[in-house]
Amino acid sequence: DAKTTQPNSMESNEEEPVHLPCNHSTISGTDYIHWYRQLPSQGPEYVIHGLTSNVNNRMASLAIAEDRKSSTLILHRATLRDAAVYYCILRDNNQGGKLIFGQGTELSVKP
Amino acid sequence: DAGITQSPRHKVTETGTPVTLRCHQTENHRYMYWYRQDPGHGLRLIHYSYGVKDTDKGEVSDGYSVSRSKTEDFLLTLESATSSQTSVYFCAITEGRYEQYFGPGTRLTVT
Repeated sequence: DAKTTQPNSMESNEEEPVHLPCNHSTISGTDYIHWYRQLPSQGPEYVIHGLTSNVNNRMASLAIAEDRKSSTLILHRATLRDAAVYYCILRDNNQGGKLIFGQGTELSVKP
Repeated sequence: DAGITQSPRHKVTETGTPVTLRCHQTENHRYMYWYRQDPGHGLRLIHYSYGVKDTDKGEVSDGYSVSRSKTEDFLLTLESATSSQTSVYFCAITEGRYEQYFGPGTRLTVT
């Protein structure tokens, strides 16, 4: 399974944009890039996913490098409720859709 | 809300006793998953199912068995619980083709 590398922790100020990076240099052609987040004492929550093109939804944007070896999750205006651990995961839909979680990035948001 | 419930939500048991955790879904999704989460390890896949009576191992399957006799229920059994199986257990389902939705978790303590 291809691995991802993320910073252990990041800080942000409330109402400012946040860019969470992820490196995945061994990504294969069939891997989708998924992002999940986990709020304290809760199960993980789906955020966004993409394959090659940048993606937007109501929660966030996903910017994918042209060579697909890195991606960035963008929260446009961080709120205190966005404080969580963010996981960048490569998912091969040909393998039962399994998610292999790494350590993730712990995002703290300051008021 | 993907209609996932887990039972029990909390359990304390003694070493050597059998334990069964239940995951129930109301949406008829094909894929179901069991993960465990420990401090410093993120989430790790134990077993998953891709249909009734169809299951496969994940990355940390030793000491665990699963069964799926109905679409809506996926059972995780610890035949003889050990202290190393103290963890938070999350069930997940795949809704649609891409996103996984997670249950609220079961906190298991083996004394």
